[in-house]
Amino acid sequence: RKEVEQDPGPFNVPEGATVAFNCTYSNSASQSFFWYRQDCRKEPKLLMSVYSSGNEDGRFTAQLNRASQYISLLIRDSKLSDSATYLCVVRGSSASKIIFGSGTRLSIRP
Amino acid sequence: DAGVTQSPTHLIKTRGQQVTLRCSPKSGHDTVSWYQQALGQGPQFIFQYYEEEERQRGNFPDRFSGHQFPNYSSELNVNALLLGDSALYLCASSLSPLANNEQFFGPGTRLTVL
Repeated sequence: RKEVEQDPGPFNVPEGATVAFNCTYSNSASQSFFWYRQDCRKEPKLLMSVYSSGNEDGRFTAQLNRASQYISLLIRDSKLSDSATYLCVVRGSSASKIIFGSGTRLSIRP
Repeated sequence: DAGVTQSPTHLIKTRGQQVTLRCSPKSGHDTVSWYQQALGQGPQFIFQYYEEEERQRGNFPDRFSGHQFPNYSSELNVNALLLGDSALYLCASSLSPLANNEQFFGPGTRLTVL
C-alpha cells in the first residue's frame, strides 16, 4: 500500500460545480497535512494547510479525518482557473520525510 | 524578494554521466529540500538540508548526493546517470525544518538522460 494515495482522476466538471477530493495516508503518526496545486509544467504551490479542526479559505475547504486517516479538499463554485493537479502532502514529525501523493487532475469545462 | 531559483532550467545528459543541479532558497529560508518528479507522478522526496547537513533522506540510492553551503544554497549531484533519472528536479525552501512550515518550490530543472 502506498503511504499516501490519491485518485488520479481526471475529474472533469462544469464551471460552477462543487468538487471534492480525498487523500488517504497510512502512517497514523502523521502530523502535518497540506494541499498543493500544480499547473501543467509548473512547480507546486501551497494551496492550504490542513488543520485538525478543518479550515476554509474562500471557495476551498480542507478537512482532516484522523480516525479514517484521510484529508479532503472541497472546491465550491469552481472556476476555469481551478483546472490543475492537486497534490496532498503528509508529514510526520520534523524528523520525518515529506510525502506527496501522486496528484488528482481537475479539469473545469465552460 | 527573489523566490527559489534553480539552474539550469533544462539539461541533457547521457547514461553514465554525472550532473550537478543548483538551488538558491527564498530570502530568509535556511532549509532546502530536493524532489524528483517523474511525468504524471507527484514529487518524490530525495533529501533535506539544514545547517549544511543532510537531515532527512527518502528512498534514493547513494548515487544521489547533495550539499548545502553557508549561504544556504544547495546542490544536488547525481552520479552514473540512468535513463530512469530523467525527471523534473524540484528544490523547495522553508523557514526551518519544522514539519508545519510551508515549502516554496523553485521552477525546477528538467533533466533528460539519453
